[in-house]
Amino acid sequence: QSALTQPASVSGSLGQSITISCAGTSNDVGAFNYVSWYQQYPGKAPKVLIYEVSNRPSGVSNRFSGSKSGNTASLTISGLQAEDEADYFCSSYTTKSPWVFGGGTKLTVL
Amino acid sequence: QEQLVQSGAELRKPGASVKISCKASGFEFTDYYIHWVRQAPGQGLEWMGRINPKNIGTNSVQKFLGRVTMTKDTSITTAYMELRGLRSDDTAVYYCARVRLGSTHFDHWGQGTLVTVSS
Repeated sequence: QSALTQPASVSGSLGQSITISCAGTSNDVGAFNYVSWYQQYPGKAPKVLIYEVSNRPSGVSNRFSGSKSGNTASLTISGLQAEDEADYFCSSYTTKSPWVFGGGTKLTVL
Repeated sequence: QEQLVQSGAELRKPGASVKISCKASGFEFTDYYIHWVRQAPGQGLEWMGRINPKNIGTNSVQKFLGRVTMTKDTSITTAYMELRGLRSDDTAVYYCARVRLGSTHFDHWGQGTLVTVSS
């Protein structure tokens, strides 16, 4: 099972919004509304930000939002803050593996 | 509080085996699948497999079949992952993570266990 495709890096200025894409196939992202997003700081375990495409766990800032169109999911971070600088991973339940992750996106806050 | 606490870092030679533990506390162990995910240095996350909390059923990725064994001891709320026939490209941080029954996202992760495979 191939990893989901994410951009290797994105950047944005403080206060701006950025979007990270997660491209999959009709066997994963396109098949289910079971896409989740994780934030990971260096040397730390991932933390869930979004589950089932667009749901936020309690305690996660509403600056984080998720969406999906066809085989591509997206994570949007609005009002960028310095603390948002981290790696972000998408994940999807699949018809095969049955879980697969994206390769990760490094967010730089300028 | 709800925790997944993993065993410490391991150094192994190629061909050896490693067994990592994941101790759960603060929540009902049998309400969650325990999954294993690894991350090679500077790389992304790779799902390895999971164990069913209600029985001994497991699922794992094809590439690990025959090399990985996932077990649990419900009496001490601990899950284990053993990887055999270690190779240098098995060097990674191994995480356990939980997924609530009926859900599909990893809502809590262990702190990770670094496994280094080197001669």
